[in-house]
Amino acid sequence: EAGVTQSPTHLIKTRGQQATLRCSPISGHTSVYWYQQALGLGLQFLLWYDEGEERNRGNFPPRFSGRQFPNYSSELNVNALELEDSALYLCASSLVLGADGVDQPQHFGDGTRLSIL
Amino acid sequence: AQTVTQSQPEMSVQEAETVTLSCTYDTSESNYYLFWYKQPPSRQMILVIRQEAYKQQNATENRFSVNFQKAAKSFSLKISDSQLGDTAMYFCAFMKYRDDKIIFGKGTRLHILP
Repeated sequence: EAGVTQSPTHLIKTRGQQATLRCSPISGHTSVYWYQQALGLGLQFLLWYDEGEERNRGNFPPRFSGRQFPNYSSELNVNALELEDSALYLCASSLVLGADGVDQPQHFGDGTRLSIL
Repeated sequence: AQTVTQSQPEMSVQEAETVTLSCTYDTSESNYYLFWYKQPPSRQMILVIRQEAYKQQNATENRFSVNFQKAAKSFSLKISDSQLGDTAMYFCAFMKYRDDKIIFGKGTRLHILP
């Protein structure tokens, strides 16, 4: 079974540009989560998509946005890039609820390292 | 709001030793999950172990076990017979029941020395 895949591995941008990060969930998973892992700030929840809808977002400005496609893959878009957006962006996927009604664990990809020059 | 605190930023132990990583959390919820994730230098976050708060029995996964003290809001990870491949950043994490986002601690960088 293929895991969560993210692309690109590394992305270099300059201030003010836009970045697009992509994530393919594990086959059968309908939920996709985005996290930001910035130096000194730890991992912070960014966005949750399920069945094509944004279900929840963390404490991030609106220039962080995304979408989920019918095949459940997802894009994270960051507009008007700022230096502090430099971070590792991790995508995770899960089934929202398993057949036994228990919350399912999130499985993570390798991340996209976004560097802002 | 929930918080997760890992008081040990970095630890080093000799191979084959046992090591315990500490984690405390704060929540007013009664139903929740606790996790330990491992992030090796390869970057991928790997779920090591999961504990449901309603279960009194401590979770175990091979060489990994937890000491879950619900009243004290403590959730430590014990790694027995540590191996070089255990070298990684370890994150303690919390998720409310039926919620979506995981709240992570700042992490403990663990070095297993040969």
